[in-house]
Amino acid sequence: DAGITQSPRYKITETGRQVTLMCHQTWSHSYMFWYRQDLGHGLRLIYYSAAADITDKGEVPDGYVVSRSKTENFPLTLESATRSQTSVYFCASSRDTYNEQFFGPGTRLTVL
Amino acid sequence: AQTVTQSQPEMSVQEAETVTLSCTYDTSESDYYLFWYKQPPSRQMILVIRQEAYKQQNATENRFSVNFQKAAKSFSLKISDSQLGDAAMYFCAYRSLTGNTPLVFGKGTRLSVIA
Repeated sequence: DAGITQSPRYKITETGRQVTLMCHQTWSHSYMFWYRQDLGHGLRLIYYSAAADITDKGEVPDGYVVSRSKTENFPLTLESATRSQTSVYFCASSRDTYNEQFFGPGTRLTVL
Repeated sequence: AQTVTQSQPEMSVQEAETVTLSCTYDTSESDYYLFWYKQPPSRQMILVIRQEAYKQQNATENRFSVNFQKAAKSFSLKISDSQLGDAAMYFCAYRSLTGNTPLVFGKGTRLSVIA
């Protein structure tokens, strides 16, 4: 049972490049989320999705794009990476509104 | 919008002792869920405990228990018989039952366990 996975686990890129972070879950959970974690800020929501083809902005969506064509996948794209997007990114999923979120292992992204 | 506040950025506890981590939240809703997540150095987010707001009884999970004070909007986590493996960041989180709302996290408390 793979659960929820993220790839890559580590990524170094340069300013201005496009980067896509992948998230895959095997539970068929309806809800999926992307967070970024920065020192002093805790976890901040970037985007979330209640179902395939339904996405919504979170607290810090600027500079990010998401899509959800299949229930199990929720990729996050940085269209033109900036140094301020250096962070640890977590993907999460939950069955519904009433249950806890399960988190992936995180992706550490460094933008030079 | 709901907010979650963890007023203790860092705490420490002696091994085998008890420690309480504080969390307060702000909401106008009457039904919601509260969670405590643990993040060890591996970075993996692990659910520790969950509390439904409509339940008056405090949730417990082995050595972990909460003190849920709904009127005061307080949700503290008590760790009994602390172990070295309890050293981690602990995040308090709130989830509304209204609409497609995600978790709202506090900024976390870093717990150190002293042998």
